[in-house]
Amino acid sequence: AQSVTQLDSQVPVFEEAPVELRCNYSSSVSVYLFWYVQYPNQGLQLLLKYLSGSTLVESINGFEAEFNKSQTSFHLRKPSVHISDTAEYFCAVSERNTPLVFGKGTRLSVIA
Amino acid sequence: NAGVTQTPKFRVLKTGQSMTLLCAQDMNHEYMYWYRQDPGMGLRLIHYSVGEGTTAKGEVPDGYNVSRLKKQNFLLGLESAAPSQTSVYFCASGRPLLYEQYFGPGTRLTVT
Repeated sequence: AQSVTQLDSQVPVFEEAPVELRCNYSSSVSVYLFWYVQYPNQGLQLLLKYLSGSTLVESINGFEAEFNKSQTSFHLRKPSVHISDTAEYFCAVSERNTPLVFGKGTRLSVIA
Repeated sequence: NAGVTQTPKFRVLKTGQSMTLLCAQDMNHEYMYWYRQDPGMGLRLIHYSVGEGTTAKGEVPDGYNVSRLKKQNFLLGLESAAPSQTSVYFCASGRPLLYEQYFGPGTRLTVT
């Protein structure tokens, strides 16, 4: 069965600094990988996904993630964060035709 | 499109009471899911459905029942609420082969 480990529960970072949120997964078969974002008192929104093809995927608001099969990782990065990026971020994995399995989340706090 | 809606938004129950949470989606999605979110635990799958009239157990199904009588609705029932079921409940829907899920705004349930 697949599983997801998010290595940091909280990440504080100053505004305009770069950030990396780490995600590792375990699975015995090919996987599909996702990052979701949850703003305070809201549901989860899809940020970006890897299904196949290019291992580098990007979101519309400047985040990117790279699928690394050898290291079983799907880390999320942004070169310059804004106050509005303050949220909780969840990494998720799915094997073919199975429900998503989520990590425990990383709370990103952007400091002015 | 309203997307995924959940009713009610908040509820307080006493131990032993019962209630039903309603999830509705207007995107004609085949798949629907119920998750619970607890601090530091991420999202855990309770039950899910891959089509009208079908349901399946997720990671934490005990104490909950579900029904999917109509494609657009997915009901989550608590027959005898316990304090351990205090949580935020999220419903999601999705389509096969796309794998991504669309989430509702959540229901905050407190059991005293």
